[in-house]
Amino acid sequence: AQSVAQPEDQVNVAEGNPLTVKCTYSVSGNPYLFWYVQYPNRGLQFLLKYITGDNLVKGSYGFEAEFNKSQTSFHLKKPSALVSDSALYFCAVRDENYGGSQGNLIFGKGTKLSVKP
Amino acid sequence: EAQVTQNPRYLITVTGKKLTVTCSQNMNHEYMSWYRQDPGLGLRQIYYSMNVEVTDKGDVPEGYKVSRKEKRNFPLILESPSPNQTSLYFCASSLVSGRDGLSGANVLTFGAGSRLTVL
Repeated sequence: AQSVAQPEDQVNVAEGNPLTVKCTYSVSGNPYLFWYVQYPNRGLQFLLKYITGDNLVKGSYGFEAEFNKSQTSFHLKKPSALVSDSALYFCAVRDENYGGSQGNLIFGKGTKLSVKP
Repeated sequence: EAQVTQNPRYLITVTGKKLTVTCSQNMNHEYMSWYRQDPGLGLRQIYYSMNVEVTDKGDVPEGYKVSRKEKRNFPLILESPSPNQTSLYFCASSLVSGRDGLSGANVLTFGAGSRLTVL
């Protein structure tokens, strides 16, 4: 069975410091991994995805994520946090074996990122 | 502008009073889905549709109905709402066939959400 875990409910970072939001996953085949962000009173927006290839994926707003197959992780990172990065971040996974069925995208519970000035 | 539009954005209703949350997308996406978001539980899928007249249950379908008569619309119907259906609801859509052949890699476009309160 597929699953995804975001072990931290909240991450607090000072502006200008690097940030990491953690995500681990479990699938039977190869994973398709996604990060989405939700700003207050808004829907989720796509940040980046890993499908295949380079383990370091770059996305919107200066975010990047590193796929680590041995640790089954896909942590979201940014070298220098901004106050405007404060939002709710969701990791999501789909097993490539379910590629024909979009119904199997599994979301984590979300991590609230708070960036203080 | 490419978007997913949900209505209403906010609704307070009473137990048992049927309601429909509409969802429309203008991107010609085959796939559409409904999620509910609850504190501590993240996003859970209610129903999804791979194309017109093709719908299937997600993880939490009880108490909900959907229909897909047209490609652009995917309404969520609560026949007899109950307080445990108080939640934030999101509609999302995507292509099914990936340009790179990896259909599972398609990105979801979400609506702005519909906050429903059932008294």
